[in-house]
Amino acid sequence: EAQVTQNPRYLITVTGKKLTVTCSQNMNHEYMSWYRQDPGLGLRQIYYSMNVEVTDKGDVPEGYKVSRKEKRNFPLILESPSPNQTSLYFCASSKSNEKLFFGSGTQLSVL
Amino acid sequence: RKEVEQDPGPFNVPEGATVAFNCTYSNSASQSFFWYRQDCRKEPKLLMSVYSSGNEDGRFTAQLNRASQYISLLIRDSKLSDSATYLCVVRPPFSGGYNKLIFGAGTRLAVHP
Repeated sequence: EAQVTQNPRYLITVTGKKLTVTCSQNMNHEYMSWYRQDPGLGLRQIYYSMNVEVTDKGDVPEGYKVSRKEKRNFPLILESPSPNQTSLYFCASSKSNEKLFFGSGTQLSVL
Repeated sequence: RKEVEQDPGPFNVPEGATVAFNCTYSNSASQSFFWYRQDCRKEPKLLMSVYSSGNEDGRFTAQLNRASQYISLLIRDSKLSDSATYLCVVRPPFSGGYNKLIFGAGTRLAVHP
């Protein structure tokens, strides 16, 4: 089944404790992206990647890192999480300008 | 001004009603337009693309008005299962060859018996 797998689904952590949210797709998509969703705001892009070893900042990259060592994986890293990074996070992938496929989301709470 | 604006709702309608949502976008050179559906705290899923001539998919009709810079979604004969948040999505111009999309904050629809 074609899918984007994101883990974990829920995560509670404390300020400053490094964490990684994993994202993997099995559709051989070149394009992958991370978004965060906050009440009253649309999904905002954090980082995106157009292919292996090619990543770039989106609209709200501060406090986040990503890597794209393999085509299928695009982890999101928070080196030192802060409470303002409490949010619902989505990974997405697509071929070029085609339909976006989203992972099931990660609800992160930073205390 | 937000790049994509939507009325957050909620729109509370009875089953069988017809309901319409509008969405406005700020960049007149925007290239492509979509409606995504999002169930509570779940991932967004593409509902339909919006074409210049307007398009229909079953009970759903999408229209684009480039002159006034808005797109609309019409749902006829609403079902309980239509209850969700509808996201207006716009692809801006000069996306640099990647799938840059701008998401509205969504319009919530609640269909009741």
